[in-house]
Amino acid sequence: AQSVSQHNHHVILSEAASLELGCNYSYGGTVNLFWYVQYPGQHLQLLLKYFSGDPLVKGIKGFEAEFIKSKFSFNLRKPSVQWSDTAEYFCAVTSNSGYALNFGKGTSLLVTP
Amino acid sequence: DARVTQTPRHKVTEMGQEVTMRCQPILGHNTVFWYRQTMMQGLELLAYFRNRAPLDDSGMPKDRFSAEMPDATLATLKIQPSEPRDSAVYFCASGPRTDNEQFFGPGTRLTVL
Repeated sequence: AQSVSQHNHHVILSEAASLELGCNYSYGGTVNLFWYVQYPGQHLQLLLKYFSGDPLVKGIKGFEAEFIKSKFSFNLRKPSVQWSDTAEYFCAVTSNSGYALNFGKGTSLLVTP
Repeated sequence: DARVTQTPRHKVTEMGQEVTMRCQPILGHNTVFWYRQTMMQGLELLAYFRNRAPLDDSGMPKDRFSAEMPDATLATLKIQPSEPRDSAVYFCASGPRTDNEQFFGPGTRLTVL
């Protein structure tokens, strides 16, 4: 069955610490990969996406993600987090032939001053 | 700045009542999605439409939920009768013809007592 796994459910970091959130997927065929962020009380916003090409993708607010096909992974990274990065982060996948997003369970990030 | 809009933003109702949620997709987008977010299940796809035609509603309880697109500017999600387990945040998202990216609305927070 197609699935998306986010291994870290809750992460607490101090400001300026580096961040890496794991995402693994189980899908056959070509995939499109996304990271969305949901700030407290707000709707989901796209951080970055991968469709094809360079597997290292840069998004907004200093985030980046690397697609490693052999590991079925699309981990999200940021070298130095800020308090304003406190939010829920969702990895999502679609197959190339369909548009519906299959979301991971999300990772709650708390950045302390 | 084009955005997906949803009404109402909050709805509190009693078990057994009918609930109708509305979504206005971004003008020109030809795909519309309904997702439900709960603490236990995370983000789940309920239904999606392309060019106003329903493509997949397998995630929706058919006996009580219905989704329609009366025209290209309006999508509706109806629950009749509502139950306490339907309490969740319901997100609408729309996507353009040429891209898999989805743009999310602010959500409707439904509480069924």
